[in-house]
Amino acid sequence: GIQVEQSPPDLILQEGANSTLRCNFSDSVNNLQWFHQNPWGQLINLFYIPSGTKQNGRLSATTVATERYSLLYISSSQTTDSGVYFCAFRNNFNKFYFGSGTKLNVKP
Amino acid sequence: DVKVTQSSRYLVKRTGEKVFLECVQDMDHENMFWYRQDPGLGLRLIYFSYDVKMKEKGDIPEGYSVSREKKERFSLILESASTNQTSMYLCASKRRLASRNQPQHFGDGTRLSIL
Repeated sequence: GIQVEQSPPDLILQEGANSTLRCNFSDSVNNLQWFHQNPWGQLINLFYIPSGTKQNGRLSATTVATERYSLLYISSSQTTDSGVYFCAFRNNFNKFYFGSGTKLNVKP
Repeated sequence: DVKVTQSSRYLVKRTGEKVFLECVQDMDHENMFWYRQDPGLGLRLIYFSYDVKMKEKGDIPEGYSVSREKKERFSLILESASTNQTSMYLCASKRRLASRNQPQHFGDGTRLSIL
């Protein structure tokens, strides 16, 4: 099956710093999503980004489908950005494949 | 292996009908979720529940309600279905202290069409 790898697994930032999270996938995917998991376990949709670049406030994401990776940029990080970030895609049978996540800790 | 079962794969209802979507999980998970998936929008959270009789609104709760009378069952209710609720609905569950490698376990989805 398709493998989804995220890096780094853990990231500690000082408030105000910028960061880039990476998601590599082993085959072509066409419905990649980035999520932020909050302490309740909710998956908060950040971006639906099968290709191209999108921006939402301090967050932006870029997917280069031909090279099988996606990047999530967090600028001017805040303590509320802490949590686990997942990339995921859904196959034609509606099965979700998640990366292993990047655990982000933003310190004040 | 975790099993999340949604009662119907395909469902067709009429505008104004009351619609029930049922979800059952067999692994004693505390947390359960209802999402809808739409083209170009991805997965969006409707409601979630972290315990029996407990519920919290997600990103798009308008037009929906939920019920969690038993730990294994989480129901999504469309009180008066409308055409803009035509979508793929996905249920998921998660142990409260799950490992990072499996954030949530999803059901197969219910494709709901409102005519």
